[in-house]
Amino acid sequence: EDKVVQSPLSLVVHEGDTVTLNCSYEVTNFRSLLWYKQEKKAPTFLFMLTSSGIEKKSGRLSSILDKKELFSILNITATQTGDSAVYLCAVRYNYGQNFVFGPGTRLSVLP
Amino acid sequence: DADVTQTPRNRITKTGKRIMLECSQTKGHDRMYWYRQDPGLGLQLIYYSFDVKDINKGEISDGYSVSRQAQAKFSLSLESAIPNQTALYFCATSDPGGDGTDTQYFGPGTRLTVL
Repeated sequence: EDKVVQSPLSLVVHEGDTVTLNCSYEVTNFRSLLWYKQEKKAPTFLFMLTSSGIEKKSGRLSSILDKKELFSILNITATQTGDSAVYLCAVRYNYGQNFVFGPGTRLSVLP
Repeated sequence: DADVTQTPRNRITKTGKRIMLECSQTKGHDRMYWYRQDPGLGLQLIYYSFDVKDINKGEISDGYSVSRQAQAKFSLSLESAIPNQTALYFCATSDPGGDGTDTQYFGPGTRLTVL
């Protein structure tokens, strides 16, 4: 069965800390992995990863994919209270349903 | 203006009622999706449509039906709502690019409560 697992499911840190969120997957004919940030509204797109070992960066956020070990990590450095959100990992595979989402990691950043 | 809109944004209804959630997009995308989100379960795909004549069931289609009235409109219906359909519902669109990308763009969500 195709699935996406995220860990931890919940994380509480203080401002300035660095966090690493994990996403592992088991799908047929992997195509791409996507990270989303969801606050109180719809998810917003962060990164799409298709190749192993190539780091994507956007400000304090970065992500990398390992297609051999079937996982990705999302790093957030120097966290801020505005980073508090649920971070969703989704994997796209070739046919049928396009995406399968993980349950999300709820990140809380305390001042 | 938002590219993907959903109506209503909030709805409270009673068990057994018929409910329709509507989604409209101005992105010109062929692909549209309906998801529901429950705490701890992430997003689950209900139905998806790759064009006006193509409708496909997703992971959890039982109890739901859809209608693709036009490229820009994709409606989700609950024929006889039940309490475990209480959830946050999202519509999304996508348009596969030649480089293999197919990023989804989400609407703001509809919070549905079935009493």
